[in-house]
Amino acid sequence: LAKTTQPISMDSYEGQEVNITCSHNNIATNDYITWYQQFPSQGPRFIIQGYKTKVTNEVASLFIPADRKSSTLSLPRVSLSDTAVYYCLVGEIDDMRFGAGTRLTVKP
Amino acid sequence: DAMVIQNPRYQVTQFGKPVTLSCSQTLNHNVMYWYQQKSSQAPKLLFHYYDKDFNNEADTPDNFQSRRPNTSFCFLDIRSPGLGDAAMYLCATSLSRAAQPQHFGDGTRLSIL
Repeated sequence: LAKTTQPISMDSYEGQEVNITCSHNNIATNDYITWYQQFPSQGPRFIIQGYKTKVTNEVASLFIPADRKSSTLSLPRVSLSDTAVYYCLVGEIDDMRFGAGTRLTVKP
Repeated sequence: DAMVIQNPRYQVTQFGKPVTLSCSQTLNHNVMYWYQQKSSQAPKLLFHYYDKDFNNEADTPDNFQSRRPNTSFCFLDIRSPGLGDAAMYLCATSLSRAAQPQHFGDGTRLSIL
């Protein structure tokens, strides 16, 4: 399984765009990249998944460069309710593991 | 509409006393997972069922067992809980092994006295 590295924590302010980068230098050809969000005392919630280039949905965008050795989760115009831990998972579609996660704190 | 339901939300047991955590789902998903999450750590996969096919992670202690009597229900049995087993236990489902996302319940927080 590819090892992932994310910043331990990040701070932002309401209304700003937040970009969280995940490094996965040994990503394999069949590996996908998936992001989850977790609030305290709740289970993780799926945010977005991609294989290459860019993926966008109603809550986030995922940017993946051509070499796929990193990926960036972009959250537009964050609010206080986006304060959570964000996990980057890399692996085959049926074999992924959670990395350490990034604790995002959004301030007023 | 709760889709993955874990009961109870909080469970207290005594050191060495067997405990069972339950999970039910209304999604009719084929795959059910159990994770252990300790404070300030990422969820750690213990095992999963693909239908009735049980898949254990290599580093899951023998103390942890699971049962899946039907599609909707899955149980986590801890035969002799130790202090180190105090954690949040998360159940998740997915339509198939080759499908994301996983849908998580809100977990059962297990305390060991």
